[in-house]
Amino acid sequence: DTGVSQDPRHKITKRGQNVTFRCDPISEHNRLYWYRQTLGQGPEFLTYFQNEAQLEKSRLLSDRFSAERPKGSFSTLEIQRTEQGDSAMYLCASSPPERVAYNEQFFGPGTRLTVL
Amino acid sequence: SQQGEEDPQALSIQEGENATMNCSYKTSINNLQWYRQNSGRGLVHLILIRSNEREKHSGRLRVTLDTSKKSSSLLITASRAADTASYFCARSGGYQKVTFGTGTKLQVIP
Repeated sequence: DTGVSQDPRHKITKRGQNVTFRCDPISEHNRLYWYRQTLGQGPEFLTYFQNEAQLEKSRLLSDRFSAERPKGSFSTLEIQRTEQGDSAMYLCASSPPERVAYNEQFFGPGTRLTVL
Repeated sequence: SQQGEEDPQALSIQEGENATMNCSYKTSINNLQWYRQNSGRGLVHLILIRSNEREKHSGRLRVTLDTSKKSSSLLITASRAADTASYFCARSGGYQKVTFGTGTKLQVIP
């Protein structure tokens, strides 16, 4: 399968713990996005990478959130000191270079986080 | 904040009928996209319409865009039970961030 993959698919954690999610984009997609989606809502943009550079961050991305894409391939999203309000589906998406296509995004299956 | 709003929030139709969903937005766009999401799954890209286009077709899908009214519509013709899903419009003012609306939950009854 050459689609976007995310790991883990589900994560249950206790309040105050740290969690880390991984996203593997489609190969040769240089653009990578993280979104958060709560029940009944559309995805909300968190952050965007072009290659290894983090070019845009939402105000939703508090100091407890950090995202990396060290080699311009896979990305990780870490949440420190989780709170119950962090419970959501975290979606990753990737896009090919702009010269190939507009920003049509290919989404992974998501990581569902539950903070107890 | 989400700046695309879909209407209606929920829609229930019989198989074979057409389904129309509308999307409104507030600021200028470069393009507008529609995505589908099956329950608890990731999103699937359906169609992209550029700001200089007025209508686009893909199979049973027809999308229109009226930039003067800042609105778009998605028409699914001859609906099938497998079309049951949530549908989101997503606007882009540039090449990076895409802003999603709140979605329309479509139920197609066999």
